[in-house]
Amino acid sequence: EDQVTQSPEALRLQEGESSSLNCSYTVSGLRGLFWYRQDPGKGPEFLFTLYSAGEEKEKERLKATLTKKESFLHITAPKPEDSATYLCAVQANYGGSQGNLIFGKGTKLSVKP
Amino acid sequence: EAQVTQNPRYLITVTGKKLTVTCSQNMNHEYMSWYRQDPGLGLRQIYYSMNVEVTDKGDVPEGYKVSRKEKRNFPLILESPSPNQTSLYFCASSRTGYNQPQHFGDGTRLSIL
Repeated sequence: EDQVTQSPEALRLQEGESSSLNCSYTVSGLRGLFWYRQDPGKGPEFLFTLYSAGEEKEKERLKATLTKKESFLHITAPKPEDSATYLCAVQANYGGSQGNLIFGKGTKLSVKP
Repeated sequence: EAQVTQNPRYLITVTGKKLTVTCSQNMNHEYMSWYRQDPGLGLRQIYYSMNVEVTDKGDVPEGYKVSRKEKRNFPLILESPSPNQTSLYFCASSRTGYNQPQHFGDGTRLSIL
């Protein structure tokens, strides 16, 4: 069964304290791995898509990496405005039709000033 | 501005009273989808649509109906709502094909008493 597991469930950091969020997945034929950010009262906001093992993408203080079994979202010198829930989702190869997204339960990040 | 618009944003209603949550996107996307988000369970797909007049069940379709008569609209219908459908609902859209990021609305919080 296709599965996405995110850890930790919650993470508290001091401003400037770098850390990483983990997304491990079990899927038959990965087509893409997506990272989203979700603020309270809002819908998920797209951050990155990763396609193949070894790929990396960056945006401001965020850097996403991908291996064959997991992805990491590295946050460098976070600021309070980085506080949000970060969601990971995978899209599998179901052959012939667009694979739907399977989401993890998210990591709630709090950054204290 | 590119967006996915859901209405209403909040609704409190009673068991058995039919309701419709509307979803509209202005990006000319072929693919649209409905999710529900519950604490501890994450985002789960209810129904999706690959294009006009093409819909299919997601992981948790029981108690819901959808229709796709126009490309931009994808309403979610609860014919006889029950308390276990109390949840936060999101509509999303994307271009078809793998690796296309989904764009989400800001959600509809439904409470069924």
